[in-house]
Amino acid sequence: AQKVTQAQTEISVVEKEDVTLDCVYETRDTTYYLFWYKQPPSGELVFLIRRNSFDEQNEISGRYSWNFQKSTSSFNFTITASQVVDSAVYFCALSEAGIYNQGGKLIFGQGTELSVKP
Amino acid sequence: NAGVTQTPKFQVLKTGQSMTLQCAQDMNHEYMSWYRQDPGMGLRLIHYSVGAGITDQGEVPNGYNVSRSTTEDFPLRLLSAAPSQTSVYFCASSYSQSLAGGRGYNEQFFGPGTRLTVL
Repeated sequence: AQKVTQAQTEISVVEKEDVTLDCVYETRDTTYYLFWYKQPPSGELVFLIRRNSFDEQNEISGRYSWNFQKSTSSFNFTITASQVVDSAVYFCALSEAGIYNQGGKLIFGQGTELSVKP
Repeated sequence: NAGVTQTPKFQVLKTGQSMTLQCAQDMNHEYMSWYRQDPGMGLRLIHYSVGAGITDQGEVPNGYNVSRSTTEDFPLRLLSAAPSQTSVYFCASSYSQSLAGGRGYNEQFFGPGTRLTVL
């Protein structure tokens, strides 16, 4: 069965602190895709990153970085030098390739609400 | 491109009423999906479609109906609204591409959401 777990419900940090959001997933497929989305207080869902299961390279984009480790089924997200504008709910999600054409099917974690205080 | 559009933005229904949430995309995406978002539960998949004429159930399909007669539109029908269907509903679309070893699935593009209250 597929499952995504974000154990941290809420995190509160002070501006300029680094913060890591954890994501652990379960899947039986050997080919799958992992995503992170941001949901700011305005409510829209903003795509941040996609990672394929066959590409374990970590990625950095400005203050954001992602650590993908297949051995521990984790896809953690780190914000360096956090800012107030980073305050949002962050979702990790999984999509399996499978044989049934799963491209329209995302399994989301429960979300982590990040609050960055000035 | 307008991307993914949803109407209405807000809706209040009484128990037992029926209604249709509209979703359209102008990106020629093959995949479309409906999710509901409830506090503390993330987004849960209701129904999804891999192309015109093809739909399948997601995690929480009961009480909802979908059809996909065109690539662009994917309406969600509430047959007899219940208070448990009070939620924020998101429609999404995505596409795949041929990669070495199979198909790659790209990110889903989400609509702005519909906030539904059932009294």
